[in-house]
Amino acid sequence: AQSVTQPDIHITVSEGASLELRCNYSYGATPYLFWYVQSPGQGLQLLLKYFSGDTLVQGIKGFEAEFKRSQSSFNLRKPSVHWSDAAEYFCAVVTSGTYKYIFGTGTRLKVLA
Amino acid sequence: SAVISQKPSRDICQRGTSLTIQCQVDSQVTMMFWYRQQPGQSLTLIATANQGSEATYESGFVIDKFPISRPNLTFSTLTVSNMSPEDSSIYLCSVEETDGAQYFGPGTRLLVL
Repeated sequence: AQSVTQPDIHITVSEGASLELRCNYSYGATPYLFWYVQSPGQGLQLLLKYFSGDTLVQGIKGFEAEFKRSQSSFNLRKPSVHWSDAAEYFCAVVTSGTYKYIFGTGTRLKVLA
Repeated sequence: SAVISQKPSRDICQRGTSLTIQCQVDSQVTMMFWYRQQPGQSLTLIATANQGSEATYESGFVIDKFPISRPNLTFSTLTVSNMSPEDSSIYLCSVEETDGAQYFGPGTRLLVL
């Protein structure tokens, strides 16, 4: 069965520091991959998506993610974190040809001033 | 992307009662989805709501507990029936757009006493 693992439940970084959030998936073929952000009291906002092609994907708010097939990973990165990036981040995978999203358990990001 | 709204944004209900949540989209979409996010948890798909047909429920969710309507291509409702405290969650609707990604509404925060 497909699964998505976000190994880090909580991450704390200082404002201005770089950020990497990990996401690993379990699936035989290449899935479609997504990162969403959920700010407190808000719904989910799509940061970026990967379907095929260039394995380095640029998203909104200065985020990027890199698909690494050999590691079954799709890690999210940002070179310099802002205090407004404090939120919960969810990685999701969907099997090509279906619509069912499987979400990771989320990583809660705290940003220190 | 489509603009998605949900009503109510939050509610406090007594056990044994029912609540109907509305999801409105500003453009016509084929696929609409309902998710539950229990406190501190990730998202779980409840069902897929397609216009003109009965909703398709995921394992662990039944129509008697979560009846869904989809009268047209811009609107859907989810009812949480005979509520118990365990139903306290955030309920989110989403739509699949032509880019293949799902976009989410702001969510309905439900507390059952």
